[in-house]
Order: sequence, then structure tokens, then C-alpha cells
Amino acid sequence: DARVTQTPRDKVTEMGQEVTMRCQPILGHNTVFWYRQTMMQGLELLAYFRNRAPLDDSGMPKDRFSAEMPDATLATLKIQPSEPRDSAVYFCASGNYSGANYGYTFGSGTRLTVV
Amino acid sequence: RKEVEQDPGPFNVPEGATVAFNCTYSNSASQSFFWYRQDCRKEPKLLMSVYSSGNEDGRFTAQLNRASQYISLLIRDSKLSDSATYLCVVNMTRNSASKIIFGSGTRLSIRP
Repeated sequence: DARVTQTPRDKVTEMGQEVTMRCQPILGHNTVFWYRQTMMQGLELLAYFRNRAPLDDSGMPKDRFSAEMPDATLATLKIQPSEPRDSAVYFCASGNYSGANYGYTFGSGTRLTVV
Repeated sequence: RKEVEQDPGPFNVPEGATVAFNCTYSNSASQSFFWYRQDCRKEPKLLMSVYSSGNEDGRFTAQLNRASQYISLLIRDSKLSDSATYLCVVNMTRNSASKIIFGSGTRLSIRP
């Protein structure tokens, strides 16, 4: 089965440190999403890309978060500087947009703890 | 008002029961709809797409009502393994861009 791969699986860091999360989407998928999940907020869309171009990053705090796709096989989400309120599970998902109906596959997530 | 709303539950039903969840969405221009399932400490996984005419996959039936802007999921003959959180997902168009929005999930617990 094709998979979305996320690294690292778990990350504990101190407040103020830079955190980079990586995602390898499924080969051939043209759409990549970044979500954040907490108990209080549920799944929040942070940003998404189609054909590597950012389509919407309105869900992301711009002052500290940045998302990029340097190539079709890699998406990154960076937090600098990190804060305790950033603690959450960050999911990457990829899919192939070819019209109205499509599904997408999630990676296993990066569990981030900022202390 | 949230763009996609679900009853958070939890729904606690006996094995073998039939259970149904609803999900409402606010954007009438929404194009496509899905149900995802998420197990504790795992990633969401696609359960099924929801088509206008309604669709069935084994014990699971999904329905879409565009006029009332809701989708539903029916689980028949529930199994212990159906215990999970069920997420309603809507692909909606806003400002000429499509956006995938998740509901906050409905927790289902099946008891023996």
C-alpha cells in the first residue's frame, strides 16, 4: 500500500527552538495538506498545496509557521520559535485532485511537545 | 457557527445495534463529502465517500441531503471494532479555492 511518510514521529523541544516536520506524499499525488490536531480544537487545516504551489495557508500563524514544498516528494512545516501552545499532533495528508470527488491519505503524524 | 458540525457524542451502544450520525455543513457550494474514521492516537483513515444518490459499503450506509445540507452515516450490526471517532469531511469552495474542512468528530463506543 502507498503511504504518506512523516518524520519525526515524536518531537520534544524547548520553547523558543526551531522545529521542522517533514512529509513525503504518495508518489503522483498533486495535493498536500498540513493539519494540526488537539483535544480542544480537533483537526485544523493549516495549509495546503496543489502541484507544489501554496493554495491556502490562512489557518497558519504567519509570524512563526511556514510551509513549503521544495519538490514533489517533500513538504515541510517549520515553527520558529516554538511555543508550548504549539504542542499537538501535526498530520500531513496527500491526495490527487481530479475533480469534485477525491479522498486523501494521512501520514501517521508528528506528535510535538514544546516544554 | 462552525462550517462543519457534528454531534461529539459519545454514542455508547451495544454490539449488534444500529447507530446513525449526522453532520451539517454551512456552505451550499460544497462539492464532495466523506466520512473518515480515527482510532485513538492514530491518523484519520478514509471510510467512504458520500455520493448524491447515497451509497453503501457492507454495514455502512452514507447519505447526502443537499437541500438540508447534511450528510449521515448509518452503521448496521455494529461490532466492537467499530469503536472509534467518525469524522465528517466536506470539500467546500470559498473564494474560488477548494478547502477540505473536518468536523470535530463523533465518538462511538460499542459495548459487548
